[in-house]
Amino acid sequence: AQKVTQAQTEISVVEKEDVTLDCVYETRDTTYYLFWYKQPPSGELVFLIRRNSFDEQNEISGRYSWNFQKSTSSFNFTITASQVVDSAVYFCALSENTGFQKLVFGTGTRLLVSP
Amino acid sequence: NAGVTQTPKFRVLKTGQSMTLLCAQDMNHEYMYWYRQDPGMGLRLIHYSVGEGTTAKGEVPDGYNVSRLKKQNFLLGLESAAPSQTSVYFCASRLGVGNQPQHFGDGTRLSIL
Repeated sequence: AQKVTQAQTEISVVEKEDVTLDCVYETRDTTYYLFWYKQPPSGELVFLIRRNSFDEQNEISGRYSWNFQKSTSSFNFTITASQVVDSAVYFCALSENTGFQKLVFGTGTRLLVSP
Repeated sequence: NAGVTQTPKFRVLKTGQSMTLLCAQDMNHEYMYWYRQDPGMGLRLIHYSVGEGTTAKGEVPDGYNVSRLKKQNFLLGLESAAPSQTSVYFCASRLGVGNQPQHFGDGTRLSIL
């Protein structure tokens, strides 16, 4: 069975600090997809990134970066120079490669960025 | 372009009542999903659909039924609501090719008394 673990329930940082959100996954599939979604206080879910299990290159998008390590089954998310607007719950998710994309979510990490 | 629209946004029911949540998407997406979000548990898949007229069970389907009579709509029904179904319900949709990401609606907050 697939499983996603986000061990950090809540993280508090001060603006401009860097912060890393951890995501560890379990799957028996050799091909799979990993995702990160953001849920701001307003409640909607915002897609951030999708990564294929074949692609272990790190990715950077502005202040966001993702580190995918197949050897440790981890897909960590780093926010550089955090801002108050980054305050949200962040979810890591995993799907098989059957095409149905039935997402298995972690329990989420609440990030609080204070001024 | 509205994206994924969920109706209603809030609802309070009494135990035993029935209701239907509506999800509508205007992106011509083949796949649609219903999730529930509970505190400390993330989102869990209830049912999903890979096209008009087809539905399948997800991780937590018990107590729910779904229908996809039109491609743009995916309905989630509670026949006899129970307090354990108090949750925030999210609908999502996506294209059926290329493992494109799911686009989520804004959620429906449902309370069962």
